[in-house]
Amino acid sequence: ETGVTQSPTHLIKTRGQQVTLRCSSQSGHNTVSWYQQALGQGPQFIFQYYREEENGRGNFPPRFSGLQFPNYSSELNVNALELDDSALYLCASSLKGNEQYFGPGTRLTVT
Amino acid sequence: QQQVKQSPQSLIVQKGGISIINCAYENTAFDYFPWYQQFPGKGPALLIAIRPDVSEKKEGRFTISFNKSAKQFSLHIMDSQPGDSATYFCAASINSGGSNYKLTFGKGTLLTVNP
Repeated sequence: ETGVTQSPTHLIKTRGQQVTLRCSSQSGHNTVSWYQQALGQGPQFIFQYYREEENGRGNFPPRFSGLQFPNYSSELNVNALELDDSALYLCASSLKGNEQYFGPGTRLTVT
Repeated sequence: QQQVKQSPQSLIVQKGGISIINCAYENTAFDYFPWYQQFPGKGPALLIAIRPDVSEKKEGRFTISFNKSAKQFSLHIMDSQPGDSATYFCAASINSGGSNYKLTFGKGTLLTVNP
């Protein structure tokens, strides 16, 4: 059984650019949640996907968007990057209603 | 509004000692309370979790104590080891009634266990 994987590991982008982050969920899991973790803070919920549909969203602007694919992998897209978007982006997979297991994260730096 | 408050911000314990981290929550609809351990450069790892129908749960050296009336829960690490040095996060979610089970995290506690 493979765990949650994310790519890329690190990414450097310029303000105003767009970025796509990817997540492969743990085998058998149908739900993916995305979180943003600023330095020295706890993760903040961005949104969740369950069976390819968005199933809840946190307090993030529309330029944060996502997708979930039939194999339950997921993408997080961020448009018009701002300096404050610099953070560790985490995805977590689960069977809906059960424990969430996190991937290693993607460290995004916006300059 | 910070729905989950965690303390202390940092904690230094001697090897073999007991580490205690506390959390308080505001939303009485929360019904699932996990603790995560995070090492530098890694994602959070699920350590132990509790639901409000029990007051204590123990797994190895890790114990969660839960006080529903006070809306507080705590993590106790017995016989703390240098390898336990990490940041610990408490979290809470609503895992029933069609909710999206989003986790609300505390701000974290940096634990250092001295040898």
